[in-house]
Amino acid sequence: GESVGLHLPTLSVQEGDNSIINCAYSNSASDYFIWYKQESGKGPQFIIDIRSNMDKRQGQRVTVLLNKTVKHLSLQIAATQPGDSAVYFCAENLGIQGAQKLVFGQGTRLTINP
Amino acid sequence: DTAVSQTPKYLVTQMGNDKSIKCEQNLGHDTMYWYKQDSKKFLKIMFSYNNKELIINETVPNRFSPKSPDKAHLNLHINSLELGDSAVYFCASNSPNYNSPLHFGNGTRLTVT
Repeated sequence: GESVGLHLPTLSVQEGDNSIINCAYSNSASDYFIWYKQESGKGPQFIIDIRSNMDKRQGQRVTVLLNKTVKHLSLQIAATQPGDSAVYFCAENLGIQGAQKLVFGQGTRLTINP
Repeated sequence: DTAVSQTPKYLVTQMGNDKSIKCEQNLGHDTMYWYKQDSKKFLKIMFSYNNKELIINETVPNRFSPKSPDKAHLNLHINSLELGDSAVYFCASNSPNYNSPLHFGNGTRLTVT
C-alpha cells in the first residue's frame, strides 16, 4: 500500500552524531528496497539499496537494515554532516517485467544542526 | 552533464490549457518513468516506458498522455489542466536490470491557476 502522511516526520541531529531513519513497507512480496535522498529543488538521489535476501548492507557512512519479519527498513547515517540535511525516502519495488514500480514511503526530513 | 534533464523547470498556466513537459536521458537506459510529487512530498508513479513501449500505466486521468519518440526521450502531455494537477513532476530512467536504481531528473514544478 501507499503511505500518505499529513505531516512529514522530522528528525534533528547534531552534526557529527549518527542518525537512524525508519520506514515500514507494505508488501511482503517486495524483493528490492531503496533509499533516496531529496534536497530542496532537486530530484530524489539514490543512496543505497538492498535485496530481500540480505538483512544488512553498508555503503560509505550509510547502512541499510532490512527486517522482513516486521516489514521494516532503516537507514543509518554515521557522522552526519550539514550536507546530509534533506528529505529521505524509502521505496519498495513492486516491479514487473521490464520496469520497476517503486512505492515510496512518506519521507522523513533530516536536519543536521551545527 | 545532467543525466536526466527535464524542461521546463517551472510551468505556470491557467486551468483548461494544454501543456507538455519534456524529458531526455543520456545514460543509455531503456526504461523511463514519470512520477508525480504532491505538496506533501508524496511520490507516486504515473507511467513507465521500456524501449518506447508502455509498461506501467497507473490510475492516471486520460488527460495525461506520455509520448516516447525514442528510448532516450519520454514527454508528458497534459490536456485541460485542472487545479489538482499542480505538483512537481519527475522523470526518471534506469537500465533493464531488474534491480537497477532509478536516476531522477530535477523535476518540473507545475502550477495551475
